[in-house]
Amino acid sequence: AQSVTQLDSQVPVFEEAPVELRCNYSSSVSVYLFWYVQYPNQGLQLLLKYLSGSTLVKGINGFEAEFNKSQTSFHLRKPSVHISDTAEYFCAVSATKWGSGGSNYKLTFGKGTLLTVNP
Amino acid sequence: NAGVTQTPKFQVLKTGQSMTLQCAQDMNHNSMYWYRQDPGMGLRLIYYSASEGTTDKGEVPNGYNVSRLNKREFSLRLESAAPSQTSVYFCASSDGTSGNTIYFGEGSWLTVV
Repeated sequence: AQSVTQLDSQVPVFEEAPVELRCNYSSSVSVYLFWYVQYPNQGLQLLLKYLSGSTLVKGINGFEAEFNKSQTSFHLRKPSVHISDTAEYFCAVSATKWGSGGSNYKLTFGKGTLLTVNP
Repeated sequence: NAGVTQTPKFQVLKTGQSMTLQCAQDMNHNSMYWYRQDPGMGLRLIYYSASEGTTDKGEVPNGYNVSRLNKREFSLRLESAAPSQTSVYFCASSDGTSGNTIYFGEGSWLTVV
């Protein structure tokens, strides 16, 4: 089984400031890692994902995340945020192999981090 | 592009009433999911269907039933609604392969009074 911990439930920042949203995971099997974003009153959409290869992953809207296997982390960063980045961000994991730990590729989500960008 | 469509978007139920949330996807995906989202709890998996003809329990299945009607449609039924089932429900789908992206519907807001 897998679990995801998002270390901050809320992150307020000013416009044009850098931001880092922290995510740690726990798993007994190899995992893939995802960040999803949810704008107010909408469903979730994929920001980026790490499957293999370079540990630095670039996503939409200028976001990037770095996979750190030794620290079991997948923190999300943006060098300069905009008001429109205000949303809730979810880190998620899935197993890489069918049936691993009974997970069958389904996503396990963290509890979310609400990013509020103030003018 | 419709993607994942779920209905209704809003519903108010009385305790003990039943209802079905409908979901359909037009991406020819094998796998479909129902999640619920509650403040401070993130998304929790209720049921999923890895492929047409199969369904499995997720994290919080109690009080719910599902039907994978065909490859496109996956419904969630509340047989006897309880206030604890007040939540936002999301249907999602994916192609079911390793590392696949899951696509979400826009959510159904359910209030049980």
